[in-house]
Amino acid sequence: GNSVTQMEGPVTLSEEAFLTINCTYTATGYPSLFWYVQYPGEGLQLLLKATKADDKGSNKGFEATYRKETTSFHLEKGSVQVSDSAVYFCALSDRGRTDSWGKLQFGAGTQVVVTP
Amino acid sequence: DVKVTQSSRYLVKRTGEKVFLECVQDMDHENMFWYRQDPGLGLRLIYFSYDVKMKEKGDIPEGYSVSREKKERFSLILESASTNQTSMYLCASKSGLLNTEAFFGQGTRLTVV
Repeated sequence: GNSVTQMEGPVTLSEEAFLTINCTYTATGYPSLFWYVQYPGEGLQLLLKATKADDKGSNKGFEATYRKETTSFHLEKGSVQVSDSAVYFCALSDRGRTDSWGKLQFGAGTQVVVTP
Repeated sequence: DVKVTQSSRYLVKRTGEKVFLECVQDMDHENMFWYRQDPGLGLRLIYFSYDVKMKEKGDIPEGYSVSREKKERFSLILESASTNQTSMYLCASKSGLLNTEAFFGQGTRLTVV
C-alpha cells in the first residue's frame, strides 16, 4: 500500500537558518505530492504541491521538488522566521489507483520550532 | 474563500455516550473526509464520502460511523465513546478527485472521560 515517511521532530532552529524536512514515499501508481502546514491552534492548510516528476512546488519561500528516482519530496526554506513555527505534513494522493477516490495519505508530521 | 466549519472546538464526553461531530463546507465539494490526529501518528483517515449518502471506510473505521444526508454536511458518529477515542478530529473537503487540494476545518479536540 501507499505510505509516507517523514523525519521526526521536533526540529529546532534559529531565525534565518536553513530548513530541510525529509519526506519519502511509496506508491503503487503515479502520486501527486503535497506539503501541508498546521499552525498552532489551526487546521491544516496547503503549503505547496507537485503533480508530476521533476515538478517544483513553491510558496512563502518554501520549495520542494518531486524526485521520482529517489521517491522523495523534501521541503526546504533558505531562511526561516519565527512565524514558520508549525507542524509540517507531507502527503500523497495516488492518481494511479481508480479506487483511491483522491484520498490523501499523510506522514506523521514534523514539528518545527524557530527561536529568535 | 473556502470554509470548512466544525461545530465544536472542544468536547468532553463520558464513556459510553453517543457523540456527534458535525462538519459543514460551503464550496459545493463532492468529497468530504474525517481524519483523527494523534501525536506521532499523523493523520489517519476514518471515513470519507464522495457523494450524498455515499461513503467508504478509511484506514481506521472501527468504532465510528458517518452520515451524509446533504452535500454540504458530513457527520462523524461515535456510537459508544471510549477513552481510546480521545483525539483531535479533523474534517476536510475537496472538489473533484485525486490531485485537488483539500481544505480543512479547525479541528475538534474530543476528550472521553
